[in-house]
Amino acid sequence: QKEVEQNSGPLSVPEGAIASLNCTYSDRVSQSFFWYRQYSGKSPELIMSIYSNGDKEDGRFTAQLNKASQYVSLLIRDSQPSDSATYLCAVNSSGGSYIPTFGRGTSLIVHP
Amino acid sequence: SQTIHQWPATLVQPVGSPLSLECTVEGTSNPNLYWYRQAAGRGLQLLFYSVGIGQISSEVPQNLSASRPQDRQFILSSKKLLLSDSGFYLCAWSPETYGYTFGSGTRLTVV
Repeated sequence: QKEVEQNSGPLSVPEGAIASLNCTYSDRVSQSFFWYRQYSGKSPELIMSIYSNGDKEDGRFTAQLNKASQYVSLLIRDSQPSDSATYLCAVNSSGGSYIPTFGRGTSLIVHP
Repeated sequence: SQTIHQWPATLVQPVGSPLSLECTVEGTSNPNLYWYRQAAGRGLQLLFYSVGIGQISSEVPQNLSASRPQDRQFILSSKKLLLSDSGFYLCAWSPETYGYTFGSGTRLTVV
């Protein structure tokens, strides 16, 4: 059974700090990795995708993928109170199915 | 650009009543479409997905059903709601491996 694990948190960081969110997955043949942000009461929003080992940067967000260790992380630099949300990790395996397995999410609180 | 519409935003229904939630996608053709439910404090649960008109795959056996009468329309239904059907229902579409775009969701409370 494919599993995606995230610490539920909450992860509390001060404004301006780096928030580090981690995700591990069980399916070794996973190919596509996604981070979604979900504000309370709202639907998830795709913020990052990564497909190969290494780092991918987009503004204040950096996704990091290590397939050998089966983990993917999301770094948020210069964290703002508006970044306070639940962050969902999702992992797609290969083999023709485009249905990802979602983690339960990590709650991030950025305090002023 | 592609947009996804989902309605209604909130719904309060009595136990035993029927349900119909609708989702439409604009700006793309033959999208993969999905229905998810997110119960309070829980993760996303895939309910149904569709890769084309009339093609529905069910992930969880329950009293819900789905239909895809048109290429860009996906409907979630129930003949008789249960209390356990309460939750946040999300429609999503994806261009295969490029991640989901979710609709704004329907918060259903069964009373």
